[in-house]
Amino acid sequence: SQTIHQWPATLVQPVGSPLSLECTVEGTSNPNLYWYRQAAGRGLQLLFYSVGIGQISSEVPQNLSASRPQDRQFILSSKKLLLSDSGFYLCAWALTGGSTDTQYFGPGTRLTVL
Amino acid sequence: AQSVTQLGSHVSVSEGALVLLRCNYSSSVPPYLFWYVQYPNQGLQLLLKYTSAATLVKGINGFEAEFKKSETSFHLTKPSAHMSDAAEYFCAVTGNNRKLIWGLGTSLAVNP
Repeated sequence: SQTIHQWPATLVQPVGSPLSLECTVEGTSNPNLYWYRQAAGRGLQLLFYSVGIGQISSEVPQNLSASRPQDRQFILSSKKLLLSDSGFYLCAWALTGGSTDTQYFGPGTRLTVL
Repeated sequence: AQSVTQLGSHVSVSEGALVLLRCNYSSSVPPYLFWYVQYPNQGLQLLLKYTSAATLVKGINGFEAEFKKSETSFHLTKPSAHMSDAAEYFCAVTGNNRKLIWGLGTSLAVNP
């Protein structure tokens, strides 16, 4: 069966510091991968998605970036965090070529920028 | 373009009462529709999905949803609420380029 991992689970970082969040998927090959953010009391905002290694689509201009160095690894990064980057970050995967686009989510990372 | 509207950002029910969470969608193509649940500080979990088969879809934890094309709705119901149902619920519809279009969510509170 497929599993998805995210780490760290929680993170407190000062403004201006760098960020690296990691997401890995097990039990499937060549998945579509997604990064979402949830700000407090708000819905899901799609940040990036990837259909393959090195293929990243950005949905929202911001100081965040994403990379996919391996088939089942998706990394979210920032060179300098802003207060507005605080939130709950979720990674999700879906089957490539799947007929229904069902997405499966990881446990999330709670980021607090102070 | 596809869109999703969840009516009511907060819904409160008594334990044992009917749960009804509303979702209306807009789609230019036959849609796939989803309901997800999110417990505090956790990721989203798939409750159920409509994929153009039966219009009444049964999911986990006793939830079900009915696809009504004429009303462009996909409301989520559960006959009897349990305290453990308190969570955030999200409706989504398939969009372009393998993405999902999400509603803003409905927070369900269950009162004893």
